[in-house]
Amino acid sequence: EAGVAQSPRYKIIEKRQSVAFWCNPISGHATLYWYQQILGQGPKLLIQFQNNGVVDDSQLPKDRFSAERLKGVDSTLKIQPAKLEDSAVYLCASSTGLAGVGLGSEQYFGPGTRLTVT
Amino acid sequence: SQQGEEDPQALSIQEGENATMNCSYKTSINNLQWYRQNSGRGLVHLILIRSNEREKHSGRLRVTLDTSKKSSSLLITASRAADTASYFCATDARGSSNTGKLIFGQGTTLQVKP
Repeated sequence: EAGVAQSPRYKIIEKRQSVAFWCNPISGHATLYWYQQILGQGPKLLIQFQNNGVVDDSQLPKDRFSAERLKGVDSTLKIQPAKLEDSAVYLCASSTGLAGVGLGSEQYFGPGTRLTVT
Repeated sequence: SQQGEEDPQALSIQEGENATMNCSYKTSINNLQWYRQNSGRGLVHLILIRSNEREKHSGRLRVTLDTSKKSSSLLITASRAADTASYFCATDARGSSNTGKLIFGQGTTLQVKP
């Protein structure tokens, strides 16, 4: 089966510019996640969708970050305006797990988008 | 905030040796997962162990979980150069919402020398 697809793979922008990332999860996966991974650290969850609804966005800097998952499939993550500290790899993941069930399941990650803000 | 903390931060061994990585966490969990990340790539799931399990095997991987000590270990036996990567533990914290949200540790960087 096809894995999680992300684009672009690399992006370089200047501070205060805007940028958007795209993710296509594994077919049939209800839950989609966006993570930010700063160099030398583990991934940090930004936002979690179940179908097209938001389950958790508690760590999303909402003044500059936004995300949507229209029709419960593809998702986009946007940063506007970007800051230097947004330089990181943005990872998208999907899973079959459903919130509220309490069982949890493995997550499948895409290759990530490496963002450099200058 | 980081839930899991891996130890050691870096590990260098010779091919054929065993590698052990440890993870400690703070709150009650539904499950704990281990992931591998090769340089510049996305994460790959290795093993999921549930809170009522104590040990799990997958090929050359063995994971243990001690919920009383809030700790887990990942053992890679007979390591190969291809095992060179960063390894992360991630916890699915137990709570009223049970969203399945994972909190990752900082990772252990493993280098296996041929």
